[in-house]
Amino acid sequence: AQRVTQPEKLLSVFKGAPVELKCNYSYSGSPELFWYVQYSRQRLQLLLRHISRESIKGFTADLNKGETSFHLKKPFAQEEDSAMYYCALSPGVGGDDKIIFGKGTRLHILP
Amino acid sequence: DTAVSQTPKYLVTQMGNDKSIKCEQNLGHDTMYWYKQDSKKFLKIMFSYNNKELIINETVPNRFSPKSPDKAHLNLHINSLELGDSAVYFCASSQSPPNYGYTFGSGTRLTVV
Repeated sequence: AQRVTQPEKLLSVFKGAPVELKCNYSYSGSPELFWYVQYSRQRLQLLLRHISRESIKGFTADLNKGETSFHLKKPFAQEEDSAMYYCALSPGVGGDDKIIFGKGTRLHILP
Repeated sequence: DTAVSQTPKYLVTQMGNDKSIKCEQNLGHDTMYWYKQDSKKFLKIMFSYNNKELIINETVPNRFSPKSPDKAHLNLHINSLELGDSAVYFCASSQSPPNYGYTFGSGTRLTVV
């Protein structure tokens, strides 16, 4: 069964400290992985995709197929990073047209 | 030039009423979705349409009925609203398959009183 697990419901980090939001997935094929961000009372926005290997707003995520993880990292947290972060999985070619979301992690940056 | 637009943004209504939420996308995507975000911020897929055809219908009460008049529109009609229907409903669209992710609408905050 496809599953995305974000073990932390809430993560509090001081401004300037490194951030790591954990994500593990369960899927037998070759999925596409994403991170979405939702600022307070706003729409979900795509933050980054593993296929593009990009860095957005200083965030990066590396797909580790051995550990089935896709952790989101940022070396120095900023106050504007406070938001809900969702890890998500698309089954990819041959799978159904559905993205599975984790339960989300609320990131709170302390001043 | 909003890519995925939902109306209304807020909806407050009494139990037992029937209401509709509309969604439109101008991205040329083939697939559209409805997601429900509950008070704990969990996101759960409700429906998915590909080119006007229903392809995903998760365990959702029959009171919820999606309608897709064309591939750019996906509306959600809810009959006999209940208190537990209070949530934020997000529309989204994507290419098929969604390997480049979804584009979400801004959400409709439904409050049933």
